[in-house]
Amino acid sequence: SAVISQKPSRDICQRGTSLTIQCQVDSQVTMMFWYRQQPGQSLTLIATANQGSEATYESGFVIDKFPISRPNLTFSTLTVSNMSPEDSSIYLCSYRDRSTSIQHFGDGTRLSIL
Amino acid sequence: QKEVEQDPGPLSVPEGAIVSLNCTYSNSAFQYFMWYRQYSRKGPELLMYTYSSGNKEDGRFTAQVDKSSKYISLFIRDSQPSDSATYLCAMTQDTNAGKSTFGDGTTLTVKP
Repeated sequence: SAVISQKPSRDICQRGTSLTIQCQVDSQVTMMFWYRQQPGQSLTLIATANQGSEATYESGFVIDKFPISRPNLTFSTLTVSNMSPEDSSIYLCSYRDRSTSIQHFGDGTRLSIL
Repeated sequence: QKEVEQDPGPLSVPEGAIVSLNCTYSNSAFQYFMWYRQYSRKGPELLMYTYSSGNKEDGRFTAQVDKSSKYISLFIRDSQPSDSATYLCAMTQDTNAGKSTFGDGTTLTVKP
């Protein structure tokens, strides 16, 4: 499977600011996903990022709050905008291996908002 | 009702015990079934992967799928403290489908 890496691995941010999380895969993949995971909780899908088209957002998540870029088949970014303490969470990037249907994950970005 | 329901746990067992982790699902179109293991402060990593019904064994781990009952299980034999983690089941329809559908996870603690 391809190696997937995220950065930053963690950050502490001030309320009202924005943070962009980067996700890099070491080979080309079609589908990439962004998840949120509260500590001790399950995965919540934010959006699916396909190269060459706009991201598809899940119910409860909007582009203005979580803009996503997918400039090529190996890279994606998620921005958490105008952050509030409720946005404190772990944000995970994932890609889907087309031949096996398996999703693989990065180690996540641990975000705390003061 | 969720598409995938996972036994919630948490589960605490002594070292050497046999562990059974279970999920049920409602969508009969699911064909690919996965188990992920997630250690604290890490992303989920794929542990087992099964296509359609049947059993698959990998060392101390056995994944079992019963499509007629819409039920999947992960068995861990001779459990070790290093098995302490959260286990997530996941499933998807086919190679052209989008995202996988995940269970909520079961946290396992194996006590020495």
